Amino acid sequence: DAKTTQPTSMDCAEGRAANLPCNHSTISGNEYVYWYRQIHSQGPQYIIHGLKNNETNEMASLIITEDRKSSTLILPHATLRDTAVYYCIVRYNNNDMRFGAGTRLTVKP
Amino acid sequence: GAGVSQSPSNKVTEKGKDVELRCDPISGHTALYWYRQRLGQGLEFLIYFQGNSAPDKSGLPSDRFSAERTGESVSTLTIQRTQQEDSAVYLCASSPQGARTNEKLFFGSGTQLSVL
Repeated sequence: DAKTTQPTSMDCAEGRAANLPCNHSTISGNEYVYWYRQIHSQGPQYIIHGLKNNETNEMASLIITEDRKSSTLILPHATLRDTAVYYCIVRYNNNDMRFGAGTRLTVKP
Repeated sequence: GAGVSQSPSNKVTEKGKDVELRCDPISGHTALYWYRQRLGQGLEFLIYFQGNSAPDKSGLPSDRFSAERTGESVSTLTIQRTQQEDSAVYLCASSPQGARTNEKLFFGSGTQLSVL
């Protein structure tokens, strides 16, 4: 069973921040939260990951709640090219990163 | 090459035929994963190779599915006696050291398999 819960779909206006939520209430202390995205007809692309602290890179920011039961991926200025399926994953076991259905983000002009 | 390479990009086969899908990981990456993605669905884990360790085959859906990897190089996923339900995109990913460290996966573009 998937260990994360994400909304099925979201819309965002071009140029605005996209905030994608993820619930992972059963996360254990040593499990990381990863975000990937998949643009149509391509393989998934790594975005960011974190353990406890908030993280930022050139693509996005990751905000993890203090209890680690949920997180939010932030795309600060969404563009049309950010339209994709976004996957929130916690490392399930040593060998398997379980990708659920993800959130389909549509950025609209 | 710079990324994970998969071939063929598209494969159309008849029900009952065997198919072989190929994955060239990024040079030096010891870990290699195969996933299956049916239309409109998320990724389904199939198998994981880590160096010379025994592979984790726990995700293979039936004994018609098998995969091999020689050392830390190319991997082939074989599907015998294909069924229409096998139609999907088969994705390969590699990572430098494997799932025991907090590292990211690099994915190929996948092979679109269509079983008629």
